[in-house]
Amino acid sequence: KQEVTQIPAALSVPEGENLVLNCSFTDSAIYNLQWFRQDPGKGLTSLLLIQSSQREQTSGRLNASLDKSSGRSTLYIAASQPGDSATYLCAVRRSDGGATNKLIFGTGTLLAVQP
Amino acid sequence: AAGVIQSPRHLIKEKRETATLKCYPIPRHDTVYWYQQGPGQDPQFLISFYEKMQSDKGSIPDRFSAQQFSDYHSELNMSSLELGDSALYFCASSRRDYSAYEQYFGPGTRLTVT
Repeated sequence: KQEVTQIPAALSVPEGENLVLNCSFTDSAIYNLQWFRQDPGKGLTSLLLIQSSQREQTSGRLNASLDKSSGRSTLYIAASQPGDSATYLCAVRRSDGGATNKLIFGTGTLLAVQP
Repeated sequence: AAGVIQSPRHLIKEKRETATLKCYPIPRHDTVYWYQQGPGQDPQFLISFYEKMQSDKGSIPDRFSAQQFSDYHSELNMSSLELGDSALYFCASSRRDYSAYEQYFGPGTRLTVT
């Protein structure tokens, strides 16, 4: 059974700092991995999607990497801003020929960027 | 760009009542997913539909049922509501032949059972 874990559970950093969020998954047979942002009580905003054949994806100040063999992904946020404060979730989709579409979510990292 | 639409955004029901949540996927998306997120928890997959057929099933209670209609919108029907059903319910959509099945989420329906 796939389990997804995120470390740390919470993180507080001063504005301008570069930071890394970690995501680990137990079954390396994944189709893709998505990183999401969730503001309190709000919906999920997709930040980046990495396919299993890719090593990394970049969008603006965000860079996500994937090491499928070791079951790890990282989300790097450069020059953090108070507006980056939110919960960040990673989610994996299993690789099974398309029979299963569901995402399995990690436990999330609550990020607070102090002005 | 059009996004996933969910209605209602907020719903308050009493125990043992029924509730119906609606989801309108992004145009031309053929797959719809439902997730439940309890307070302080990560989203848990309930059920998905591809081309109006159930494609996968997760931890959905027997009291819940769902379907996808000919216009691809989906409805989640919840009966005999319990206090533990209070949660944020997300709908997501994707297109099978596009963008590696990337799922786009709606804003959610917050269900409160009293």
